[in-house]
Amino acid sequence: DAGITQSPRHKVTETGTPVTLRCHQTENHRYMYWYRQDPGHGLRLIHYSYGVKDTDKGEVSDGYSVSRSKTEDFLLTLESATSSQTSVYFCATGRGGQDEQFFGPGTRLTVL
Amino acid sequence: QQQVKQSPQSLIVQKGGISIINCAYENTAFDYFPWYQQFPGKGPALLIAIRPDVSEKKEGRFTISFNKSAKQFSLHIMDSQPGDSATYFCAASMKGTYKYIFGTGTRLKVLA
Repeated sequence: DAGITQSPRHKVTETGTPVTLRCHQTENHRYMYWYRQDPGHGLRLIHYSYGVKDTDKGEVSDGYSVSRSKTEDFLLTLESATSSQTSVYFCATGRGGQDEQFFGPGTRLTVL
Repeated sequence: QQQVKQSPQSLIVQKGGISIINCAYENTAFDYFPWYQQFPGKGPALLIAIRPDVSEKKEGRFTISFNKSAKQFSLHIMDSQPGDSATYFCAASMKGTYKYIFGTGTRLKVLA
């Protein structure tokens, strides 16, 4: 997994509560990504980062925010969780360009 | 059009058979096409990738066939084994970007 950890690995929360997922990498990769995986939708990009404090939106960014204050950490925040955000969330890292992306083990989030 | 259309959604193959997964795209600006393999409970991992300047790329039992004029590419798994049972994602990327567009995934089961 290229030294990528995600925490927590599982979380159950209630609608309307804030949730923060953490991705930590030890590979010093410049690029970091957050995806969600849902049946029938595959992997969809939520947000990505191309450097410390440099982030941009992906295709399904509504309801999510991110922050990257250090090269190794990329946080995904759901400000007010909704049931539609129940999903498996994957963090990925990359050296840049079209290079291989390395995925973490995922976080299963359930919003009741 | 940014979508990558993948089929079939699921596939069952006998051991020793050939597994074929197809993907199609519309945006001719895509110029890098990776395939990712995901085992249950794990993050996806790069399997094989191709650029449109070649029509075929082979790595062991895995082959990508690429048809630029039809805007289609496919993954062939020869002599399929039960250990190949996984979900496979095709993806596409444009030069100068750091993002992939993933297909919806194909769940492959190889029967022993």
